[in-house]
Amino acid sequence: AQKVTQAQTEISVVEKEDVTLDCVYETRDTTYYLFWYKQPPSGELVFLIRRNSFDEQNEISGRYSWNFQKSTSSFNFTITASQVVDSAVYFCALLPDKLIFGTGTRLQVFP
Amino acid sequence: DTGVSQNPRHKITKRGQNVTFRCDPISEHNRLYWYRQTLGQGPEFLTYFQNEAQLEKSRLLSDRFSAERPKGSFSTLEIQRTEQGDSAMYLCASSLGTNGYTFGSGTRLTVV
Repeated sequence: AQKVTQAQTEISVVEKEDVTLDCVYETRDTTYYLFWYKQPPSGELVFLIRRNSFDEQNEISGRYSWNFQKSTSSFNFTITASQVVDSAVYFCALLPDKLIFGTGTRLQVFP
Repeated sequence: DTGVSQNPRHKITKRGQNVTFRCDPISEHNRLYWYRQTLGQGPEFLTYFQNEAQLEKSRLLSDRFSAERPKGSFSTLEIQRTEQGDSAMYLCASSLGTNGYTFGSGTRLTVV
């Protein structure tokens, strides 16, 4: 079965706090891709990152960083020094042959 | 090409009516996907095309739903005899193989 689990339904933080969004996936495929998308209130899905299953290097992009651990089937996303503009719903997704999304984590950053 | 375009952005229809949505993908993308997203949920896969061939349909796609991509370019998604449970955001995405997955802004359907 192919599945993505985002156990955190909603997270609230105060600006400048660090926050980590969890993602656990299930797949029997050896080759796959993992994604994170941001969905602001406007509704559009904004691409953040794509990783392939053979590349476990952590990645940092500005205030965003991703920790991919195949041993635990996890692909967690950390926002450092959060800002109000980070408030959105964040989706983790698995791509065997088509994107399979988790249920999302709503992040609220308060000033 | 600036991205994936979906029309209309919003559609309100009466129960029992038919509706059709259109998606224009990024021109060089050979794959086109339809997803449905209800409130508080992640997007759920409905169907996808590679060029003009419809390669997979989810069991979520009842007989009232039909999708086409006649020339391997734009696609239409038709819902016949709409029901209130069809109210959702319908998202289209395109990709080149498994690369460059890009979503449109979606069509929000409200069935009253």
